[in-house]
This record gives sequence, C-alpha cells and structure tokens, in this order.
Amino acid sequence: EIVLTQSPDTLSLSPGERATLSCRASRHIPSTYLAWYQQKRGQAPRLLIYGASGRAAGIPDRFSGSGSGTEFTLVISRLEAEDSAVYYCQQYGNPPPFSFGPGTKVEIK
Amino acid sequence: EVQLLESGGGLVQPGGSLRLSCIGSGFMFSNDAMGWVRQAPGKGLEGVSIISASGGGPDYGDSVKGRFAISRDNSKNTLYMQMNSLRVEDTAVYYCVRWTRYSMDVWGRGTTVTVSS
Repeated sequence: EIVLTQSPDTLSLSPGERATLSCRASRHIPSTYLAWYQQKRGQAPRLLIYGASGRAAGIPDRFSGSGSGTEFTLVISRLEAEDSAVYYCQQYGNPPPFSFGPGTKVEIK
Repeated sequence: EVQLLESGGGLVQPGGSLRLSCIGSGFMFSNDAMGWVRQAPGKGLEGVSIISASGGGPDYGDSVKGRFAISRDNSKNTLYMQMNSLRVEDTAVYYCVRWTRYSMDVWGRGTTVTVSS
C-alpha cells in the first residue's frame, strides 16, 4: 500500500509570492496516476493537475505540476487571494481504489 | 454544462442503510468511469469506490468493503451507492465524481450523510 505525505502542513505567503507544495509517495507511482486538487472552504474539490504535470481545463497557467517516482510538486507561481485553499495530491490504484494525501493549507497574508 | 447532482443523504441510525444517487448531465455518462469520494467533518478526502463505464470491476476502500455497493444505470445516467451497516464513522459529505485519465475531473456538490443515534 502506497502512502502519500504532503508538506508543509500549512503555507502562509503574500500575494505575488511563489508557493511550492510537496507530495511524497512511500513507493514509486507512475506519473500518469498522480493528480492535484484544490478545495476552497465550503466547496467541492477541483482538479488542477492530472498525470503529474497536465493542467486541467480552465486552470490558470500559474499552476504547474512536476515530478516522478516518489516525489511530486505543485507550484503556484504568483499567488492570488483566491488561491487560499487546501491542496490535495491523489494517487490511483494502491491502495485501491485510490487515495489522497492529507493536504496542504495555503493561506494568503 | 457538465454536471453531477447527488441526492439521498440524510440522518440514519447506526446499523441502518441509505442509497445515494448521482445524476450526470452534459456528457456521455455511459463512456466514463465514475466514483464516490467522502469527507468527514473537518477532515481530508477519502476514496470510497470506483466503477467502470460498463459497470464492471467495482472497487472499494477497505473501510467500506463488504458494506457499500456501487452500481450504475447508464440508461438513466445515474450512479448509485447502497450503504448498509452504517457506522458513526461513515458520517461525511459524499461526492460523486467522474474519472478520466486516472483523475477526477468533475465533482458534484456533495450530499451529507449523518450516522447518529
């Protein structure tokens, strides 16, 4: 069973700054199977990144994903107030059916 | 517009049953795998179940295996989750999701299930 850990737990940054979020897997994950989601307070999650680096439809290019193997990263290049949210990584298949990391909370100062 | 609309949540006693439904619109429902994700109050996301486009190969998280059953009726563009032997720890918002490219690209607004005596 693959366990996803995310760091940091909370990130507090100012508008315009760069946010770097980490997702680490306990074993190798095919890049195809790694996705990132954004969940704002009181809302359903929204897909940001699929296949580790593919940007989902309608997602601003400020959001980018990278990584492979056991280390994956989500970068928000220029933070905006609307980016305040919890960000989750997700892997498909192990354990079945799919699982999420614990999340990173991004706060905008 | 692509949409998923859940229904069927509510308050149920421990040991009871509920059936959640999710109607998809704005896309070819029968072409896509579907699933359920839940979120307990103040907690993170948990993968519950997934079912293929044709209805085969359902899979479940360990916490619900043997108690929950996912199914779909493609003629009605509807996904179901039959939840039996409910426990207090099943209390959560349940989201219906569409799967594509090993990720969930469409989410419903969620339906709340509360298990309490």
